Amino acid sequence: GQQVMQIPQYQHVQEGEDFTTYCNSSTTLSNIQWYKQRPGGHPVFLIQLVKSGEVKKQKRLTFQFGEAKKNSSLHITATQTTVVGTYFCTGGNEKLTFGTGTRLTIIP
Amino acid sequence: NAGVTQTPKFRILKIGQSMTLQCTQDMNHNYMYWYRQDPGMGLKLIYYSVGAGITDKGEVPNGYNVSRSTTEDFPLRLELAAPSQTSVYFCASNKIGTGTDTQYFGPGTRLTVL
Repeated sequence: GQQVMQIPQYQHVQEGEDFTTYCNSSTTLSNIQWYKQRPGGHPVFLIQLVKSGEVKKQKRLTFQFGEAKKNSSLHITATQTTVVGTYFCTGGNEKLTFGTGTRLTIIP
Repeated sequence: NAGVTQTPKFRILKIGQSMTLQCTQDMNHNYMYWYRQDPGMGLKLIYYSVGAGITDKGEVPNGYNVSRSTTEDFPLRLELAAPSQTSVYFCASNKIGTGTDTQYFGPGTRLTVL
């Protein structure tokens, strides 16, 4: 079955540094979605990418979908404490399979 | 719209007890899902439903049952609670086929089995 892996599993960054998490699928995805979960909260939708090579930006967050539609990345520039949380990717089919998540913590 | 609501928020069960976790959505979504999230881990799909009367197993269905008699409701049943079922349970819904398959999550039910 489809497997979605994320790396790294944990990331501690100094406030102001950049951060990147990667999502890799064993199969081609029709689309990819990214979610953020704050500590103690529930996952909240961030963005969906559909086209091969697509790049979308949300303020300091940049999302990219690979050319082969089997991988994706989320890059955050100049991190602030507001970005703390776990970031999940999920492949687009009816049985949405979530990645393992990357937990981001910020060192003030 | 209230979105996705879940009850209860917290529950402590003894081994062998049973309970039903309730989930309701008011967005007329066709798809609904149940996930469990163990501490510090990702989301694992338990069951999902593509519409009223239709359910299917996810990655970790053992020990759980579901039903979908209406579009709005998707209860999750634990028949014989075990300590391994201690987890946070999230219900989610989306409307497949509209271009953006965004999943909306409920606030979760934190279950402890002792």
